[in-house]
Amino acid sequence: KQEVTQIPAALSVPEGENLVLNCSFTDSAIYNLQWFRQDPGKGLTSLLLIQSSQREQTSGRLNASLDKSSGRSTLYIAASQPGDSATYLCAVRGVTSGSARQLTFGSGTQLTVLP
Amino acid sequence: SAVISQKPSRDICQRGTSLTIQCQVDSQVTMMFWYRQQPGQSLTLIATANQGSEATYESGFVIDKFPISRPNLTFSTLTVSNMSPEDSSIYLCSVAQGDGYTFGSGTRLTVV
Repeated sequence: KQEVTQIPAALSVPEGENLVLNCSFTDSAIYNLQWFRQDPGKGLTSLLLIQSSQREQTSGRLNASLDKSSGRSTLYIAASQPGDSATYLCAVRGVTSGSARQLTFGSGTQLTVLP
Repeated sequence: SAVISQKPSRDICQRGTSLTIQCQVDSQVTMMFWYRQQPGQSLTLIATANQGSEATYESGFVIDKFPISRPNLTFSTLTVSNMSPEDSSIYLCSVAQGDGYTFGSGTRLTVV
């Protein structure tokens, strides 16, 4: 059974700092990995999706990497801003039948960017 | 990408009552997914809803407690029945969009 872990659980940084959020998964047989942002009490906003064959994806100040063999992904946020404050979730999509369309979520990293 | 409208955005309900959550998608989708996020926890899949057939429930979730309707390819409802304070959570619907997933804005449910 796939397990997804995110470290750290919470992170507080001053504005302007570059930061890295970590996601690890136990089963490397994945279809893809998706990073989401969740504001308090709200739904999920997709940030980046990395296919299993890709090494990284970039969108603006965000860069996500994937090392499938070691079961790791990182989300890099450059020049952080107070508006980046949210919980960041990574989710892994499996390839095995029965779970081919299911996501396994990590527990999230709660980010606070201080002005 | 698909846009999902989820209603209500939040509600406070009395224990023993039921609440129905609606999700409307702006395009036709084969499967819709319902998740629960308990306070301080990550998302847990409740069930997968297919149009024209019964929903498939994950371990720990039963149809009597969480009945789901899927009358067409753009709409689904999840009912939380006979609510207790332990049902206080955020409930989210989701659809597969290409190789990724899109989520509704969530329903924040508080049971008192």
